[in-house]
Amino acid sequence: DVKVTQSSRYLVKRTGEKVFLECVQDMDHENMFWYRQDPGLGLRLIYFSYDVKMKEKGDIPEGYSVSREKKERFSLILESASTNQTSMYLCASSPRDRGPFRLNTEAFFGQGTRLTVV
Amino acid sequence: GENVEQHPSTLSVQEGDSAVIKCTYSDSASNYFPWYKQELGKGPQLIIDIRSNVGEKKDQRIAVTLNKTAKHFSLHITETQPEDSAVYFCAIRGGNTGNQFYFGTGTSLTVIP
Repeated sequence: DVKVTQSSRYLVKRTGEKVFLECVQDMDHENMFWYRQDPGLGLRLIYFSYDVKMKEKGDIPEGYSVSREKKERFSLILESASTNQTSMYLCASSPRDRGPFRLNTEAFFGQGTRLTVV
Repeated sequence: GENVEQHPSTLSVQEGDSAVIKCTYSDSASNYFPWYKQELGKGPQLIIDIRSNVGEKKDQRIAVTLNKTAKHFSLHITETQPEDSAVYFCAIRGGNTGNQFYFGTGTSLTVIP
């Protein structure tokens, strides 16, 4: 059974703290993603990685950074947490797109980390 | 990022009725269109997907249609059941690498027994 595992389900952090959210996938996927989910706004892409040490900014990268030192692990870092970063964070992975006829190219999601910054 | 619009944001139907959710997108290069279901406290899970080389796909009570010319695709759920109650997201695969996923804002579906 394919799996994307996020290290924490719930986190409470103080304003100004450095926060690490960890994600591990066991499917040997090239692509990994971090999304933020807020009511009425859907899933917004924070950062995307298409290979080890490679990353691309998504739609809302401000206040976040990422690290991908190993293929299976993708970390999201909040350099100095703020209350407006209170949200649900979702990690996902997918295989690289190799043409329109390849099967099983969807994104697989973790359970999510609900982060509260106080 | 790529724009994906999803309607309606909330939908209530009687058990046994049909539900339809619609999405439009802007990236003409997108060739893969998945639909996800998210239950309370869980991450989104794929329920059906369609590729740009087909116009319709069906899996039991769920179907998806795609009009690539008009850049819209729809999810159809027939004979709805209470367990269909969840938040549904449409998505496209695109972006500058062709590997990013962009999501709609979600539809909260309630099936009334």
